[in-house]
Amino acid sequence: EVQLVESGGGLVKPGGSLRLSCAASGFTFSSYSMNWVRQAPGKGLEWVSSISSSSSYIYYADSVKGRFTISRDNAKNSLYLQMNSLRAEDTAVYYCARGIYEGFDPWGQGTLVTVSS
Amino acid sequence: QSALTQPASVSGSPGQSITISCTGTSSDVGGYNYVSWYQQHPGKAPKLMIYEVSNRPSGVSNRFSGSKSGNTASLTISGLQAEDEADYYCSSYTSSSTLWVFGGGTKLTVL
Repeated sequence: EVQLVESGGGLVKPGGSLRLSCAASGFTFSSYSMNWVRQAPGKGLEWVSSISSSSSYIYYADSVKGRFTISRDNAKNSLYLQMNSLRAEDTAVYYCARGIYEGFDPWGQGTLVTVSS
Repeated sequence: QSALTQPASVSGSPGQSITISCTGTSSDVGGYNYVSWYQQHPGKAPKLMIYEVSNRPSGVSNRFSGSKSGNTASLTISGLQAEDEADYYCSSYTSSSTLWVFGGGTKLTVL
């Protein structure tokens, strides 16, 4: 079964940092691009970042560029999102999702990041 | 404000058909056949329902179909069932600095 499990969310003060992880199983992780998508409470989906299968290509939304860093470890079947200089507007559930069919499938269950003093 | 425009809500009775629109520009929906649709039940992760405008992943009911005309994509659900009540989001590849854009989401109510 293809599965993605996020971890690392929590409560952090404005200006702080957090590192999210996504553990993948049930598929050849190194063959797929991976993505982070977030959803603020009661709001819609927002694409955050994408990384190609070999980490050669990396993309960020303008809202996080310069503050967030996506990375992956194909040997550990893991995806990461290092989040620095966090702001209140970064509060959201963060999902990791496999890139396939020029879309996102499947999605993990999400991890909640709350930025508040 | 989301990059793609969807109606905030739609509704239909069991057995009926509904269509959800997703309007973008020639830089996203109109320029590429990389439109996908996602279903999200409350408190759950999104689920891919349609990819590349009109293709269904394995396991998705054939009651779900997608299409595109110009800068507007559409998701049609036929034979509405109570379990279809959920939020639906469209997404598209974009040639702008943002690689992917989403619609604001549409809440489907099955009356």
